[in-house]
Amino acid sequence: ERVMTQSPATLSVSPGERATLSCRASQTVAGNLAWYQQKPGRAPRLLIYEASARATGIPARFSGSGFGTEFTLTISSLQSEDFAVYYCQQYNNWPRTFGQGTKLEIK
Amino acid sequence: QVQLVQSGAEVKRPGASVKVSCKAPDYTFNKYEVNWLRQAPGRGLEWMAWINTYNGHTNYTKKFEGRVTLTTDTSTSTVYMELRSLTSDDTAMYFCAGDEHERWFDPWGQGTLVTVSS
Repeated sequence: ERVMTQSPATLSVSPGERATLSCRASQTVAGNLAWYQQKPGRAPRLLIYEASARATGIPARFSGSGFGTEFTLTISSLQSEDFAVYYCQQYNNWPRTFGQGTKLEIK
Repeated sequence: QVQLVQSGAEVKRPGASVKVSCKAPDYTFNKYEVNWLRQAPGRGLEWMAWINTYNGHTNYTKKFEGRVTLTTDTSTSTVYMELRSLTSDDTAMYFCAGDEHERWFDPWGQGTLVTVSS
């Protein structure tokens, strides 16, 4: 099983600043990685797939990078609606696995 | 935007079973494979199982093998997840999510809260 580890667990950032979230896989997942945003009481929303491709309707301030075992989600200029929990997920292997999440909170 | 529609909240006794449904728009049913995930209160996302709606092939995570069954009803474009021998640890929000060709999860259902309590 691929273990996905996200860091940090909580990130405090001011609106307008940049946020950088990390995700590490215990073994390579190639480029088969997605990022999701989840707000309280809501289903997750797909942000990024194939490590760096933005999903339909996702603003350009969201970008993903990485390959193999190290991945990054960057939000270039935080808006109020971006404060949420973010999860990475690998779909290279079964079982599908998620990181434990990074909570992005307002500083 | 395509949405999956799940059945309503359930309250069950320990030892009981629950069956949750996930309906896709008719024109998309065979386009997506369907995954089931859950999220315990205050916790992260946990993938449980997957079904190919075209041929019925399934894949389960070891933790739930033997306790979860996925089925499809093609006449109503609905996928069902049955979880048996419930305990309080099964109290969670259960989500279905579609994927195309075993890739990322999109779209998602709205979630179904299952509460297990005596």
